[in-house]
Amino acid sequence: AQKVTQAQTEISVVEKEDVTLDCVYETRDTTYYLFWYKQPPSGELVFLIRRNSFDEQNEISGRYSWNFQKSTSSFNFTITASQVVDSAVYFCALSRGTQGGSEKLVFGKGTKLTVNP
Amino acid sequence: DTAVSQTPKYLVTQMGNDKSIKCEQNLGHDTMYWYKQDSKKFLKIMFSYNNKELIINETVPNRFSPKSPDKAHLNLHINSLELGDSAVYFCASSQTTGLAGGETQYFGPGTRLTVL
Repeated sequence: AQKVTQAQTEISVVEKEDVTLDCVYETRDTTYYLFWYKQPPSGELVFLIRRNSFDEQNEISGRYSWNFQKSTSSFNFTITASQVVDSAVYFCALSRGTQGGSEKLVFGKGTKLTVNP
Repeated sequence: DTAVSQTPKYLVTQMGNDKSIKCEQNLGHDTMYWYKQDSKKFLKIMFSYNNKELIINETVPNRFSPKSPDKAHLNLHINSLELGDSAVYFCASSQTTGLAGGETQYFGPGTRLTVL
């Protein structure tokens, strides 16, 4: 069975602080995909990143960076110099990598990030 | 311009009623999904359709019936609504590549259903 754990339920920081959101996953598959989604207060789910299990390179996109470590089954997300607009619930998700696709996303419970001015 | 759209955005209804939520995507994707987000924000898959064929049915009560008239639409009909059905329902879509799966799913804005 697949499982995603986001142990941090809520995090509160002051603007310009760096913050890391943790994500630990469980799967027996050798091919799998990891995702991060952002859910701002307006409620929509915004795709941030997709990473496959064979690519352990860290990724940076502006103030966002992701650290994928298979050895610890973790896919952590860091926001550098946080801004008030980063306030949202962030979800980590996992899907199987099976031929033909149509695989469900298994979500963690989310981490609510509040960035205070 | 909207990639995945849902109607209505809000739905308030009485217990026992039947209601439908519509979803449309203009991304040209061949797979669509319904997810339920409960009051604690937990997201869980309900159904997925690939080219109008049901692929995933995740032990959802049979009061919920998805219908896919074509690849671009996936509607959700709910019979005999119960208090516990109150949630936000998200539609999503992805494009099957036939390779190793794990395609990115793009979500609609959600429909907040309140059952009184």
